[in-house]
Amino acid sequence: EAQVTQNPRYLITVTGKKLTVTCSQNMNHEYMSWYRQDPGLGLRQIYYSMNVEVTDKGDVPEGYKVSRKEKRNFPLILESPSPNQTSLYFCASSSTGGKNIQYFGAGTRLSVL
Amino acid sequence: GDSVTQMEGPVTLSEEAFLTINCTYTATGYPSLFWYVQYPGEGLQLLLKATKADDKGSNKGFEATYRKETTSFHLEKGSVQVSDSAVYFCALSEDNFNKFYFGSGTKLNVKP
Repeated sequence: EAQVTQNPRYLITVTGKKLTVTCSQNMNHEYMSWYRQDPGLGLRQIYYSMNVEVTDKGDVPEGYKVSRKEKRNFPLILESPSPNQTSLYFCASSSTGGKNIQYFGAGTRLSVL
Repeated sequence: GDSVTQMEGPVTLSEEAFLTINCTYTATGYPSLFWYVQYPGEGLQLLLKATKADDKGSNKGFEATYRKETTSFHLEKGSVQVSDSAVYFCALSEDNFNKFYFGSGTKLNVKP
């Protein structure tokens, strides 16, 4: 079954404690992307990756890091989380750039206290 | 910069009513336009898309026409069902399809 898997689904942490949200896809997609969803703001793109070792900033990259060492994985790293990063995060993947259908994971709800 | 503006929700309709959700955009180039749907507790799913002016995207009874002259991509459905209750997002992507811009989402509630 084609899917994008995010872990964990729910996470509560404290300010400053480094965390990683993992994202894995089994469709051999080149393109992967991270979004955050906040009430009244919709989805905003954090980072995207066109292929292995190729990443670039989206609209709201501050406070986040990503890496793409393997095609299937695209982890999101918060080196020093702050309360304003409390949000719902989605990972997505697509073949040949975002031109084709983006498949979204089920989301990770993060609370930073 | 690029942006997408959607009508505020929630929108509440009775089953079989006609649906319109307005979407307008600002873009520097010639974007492709998308409608995504999010059911409760799930990620987004692509509903339909249009890649050039005057194109009509359609899927599951939903339609939207890319209007360059009014920079709009309004979502319509002739007869909604309870199962259409969800949050609908309008989105755009410029030529390279790398960056995406989403609207704030419109929640649709359909009552039996």
